[in-house]
Amino acid sequence: DGGITQSPKYLFRKEGQNVTLSCEQNLNHDAMYWYRQDPGQGLRLIYYSQIVNDFQKGDIAEGYSVSREKKESFPLTVTSAQKNPTAFYLCASSATPTGNTEAFFGQGTRLTVV
Amino acid sequence: QKEVEQNSGPLSVPEGAIASLNCTYSDRGSQSFFWYRQYSGKSPELIMFIYSNGDKEDGRFTAQLNKASQYVSLLIRDSQPSDSATYLCAVNALRWGGGADGLTFGKGTHLIIQP
Repeated sequence: DGGITQSPKYLFRKEGQNVTLSCEQNLNHDAMYWYRQDPGQGLRLIYYSQIVNDFQKGDIAEGYSVSREKKESFPLTVTSAQKNPTAFYLCASSATPTGNTEAFFGQGTRLTVV
Repeated sequence: QKEVEQNSGPLSVPEGAIASLNCTYSDRGSQSFFWYRQYSGKSPELIMFIYSNGDKEDGRFTAQLNKASQYVSLLIRDSQPSDSATYLCAVNALRWGGGADGLTFGKGTHLIIQP
């Protein structure tokens, strides 16, 4: 089955730790995105990548880092510099980077700071 | 700053009636428009997309786009209790030089279908 897989589903982080969220897609999509969702809020763009080895900051990139070494993978690292990381993180992909194609989402990772 | 505005609701609609969800956007360069449904605790799932002015129908759902007025709406006919969810409007605009920079989402409208 084609789709986007995020792991883990739930993640707990201690203060000061870096954690990495995984996102893998087998849809052969060029573009991949990371969003953050807080309770009662819409999705806010963290980072996006239109092509392998290239990525751009979104609206709330501070405290996060990404890599795009392979077309199918776009991991997100939440660093200790992110002061309020507790949120629902969603990875998405779209077929082309031109904007006129829909984005599909993974199941999400719920990150909690303990 | 691109903005997408939605009434947060809750919007309560009787079962079998038409639910009307509205969305306005600020960026006149927006090219494509999407409606996602999100159940509590789950990820968004795509319902419809629309690129051109006018109406687009898919089953019980109709998306309407008016670029001159910068609004997009979603109509749900014969509303069912299973339609109860948060509906997210998303807009995509091309960057200068081509390519897109990700969807901009509204905060969503919470829809409740009353049996």
